[in-house]
Amino acid sequence: EDQVTQSPEALRLQEGESSSLNCSYTVSGLRGLFWYRQDPGKGPEFLFTLYSAGEEKEKERLKATLTKKESFLHITAPKPEDSATYLCAVQTSGNTPLVFGKGTRLSVIA
Amino acid sequence: NAGVTQTPKFQVLKTGQSMTLQCAQDMNHEYMSWYRQDPGMGLRLIHYSVGAGITDQGEVPNGYNVSRSTTEDFPLRLLSAAPSQTSVYFCASSPDGRSSPLHFGNGTRLTVT
Repeated sequence: EDQVTQSPEALRLQEGESSSLNCSYTVSGLRGLFWYRQDPGKGPEFLFTLYSAGEEKEKERLKATLTKKESFLHITAPKPEDSATYLCAVQTSGNTPLVFGKGTRLSVIA
Repeated sequence: NAGVTQTPKFQVLKTGQSMTLQCAQDMNHEYMSWYRQDPGMGLRLIHYSVGAGITDQGEVPNGYNVSRSTTEDFPLRLLSAAPSQTSVYFCASSPDGRSSPLHFGNGTRLTVT
């Protein structure tokens, strides 16, 4: 069974304190790994897609990386506006739909 | 460009009532899907569609019906609401449901009393 596990469940950072969120996966064949950001009361918003081990994508203070077993979302010098829930999802090479992790709730304190 | 539009934003039902959650997209996406999001459970797939006239069940389909008569619309019907269906419901679409990211609506918050 395809599984996606995100850790930690919640993370509290001081403004400027860099850290990483983890998404580990066990799937039969990876077609793509997606990161989303979700603000309270809103739908998830797409951030990145990673397709193969070693790939990296960056956007402002965020950088996503991928290995054969996990992905990291690195947050450099975070600001309070980076506070949100970050979701990871994997698409397998079969016909099964996207599998989501439960998310990491990030709070950045000024 | 409106993207994915869900209505209503909020709804309160009594146990046993039925209702339809509406979802429309204006991006000509073939793939559409419905998720429910509950605290500690993450996003769980209810039903999905890979094109007009084609639907399939996801992880938690019981108590819900869908149909896809047009590319644009994918309504979710609750047949006889139960308190266990209290949740936030998200509709999402993508060009193909495979390697393309999903575009989400802003959700419908449903309470069943």
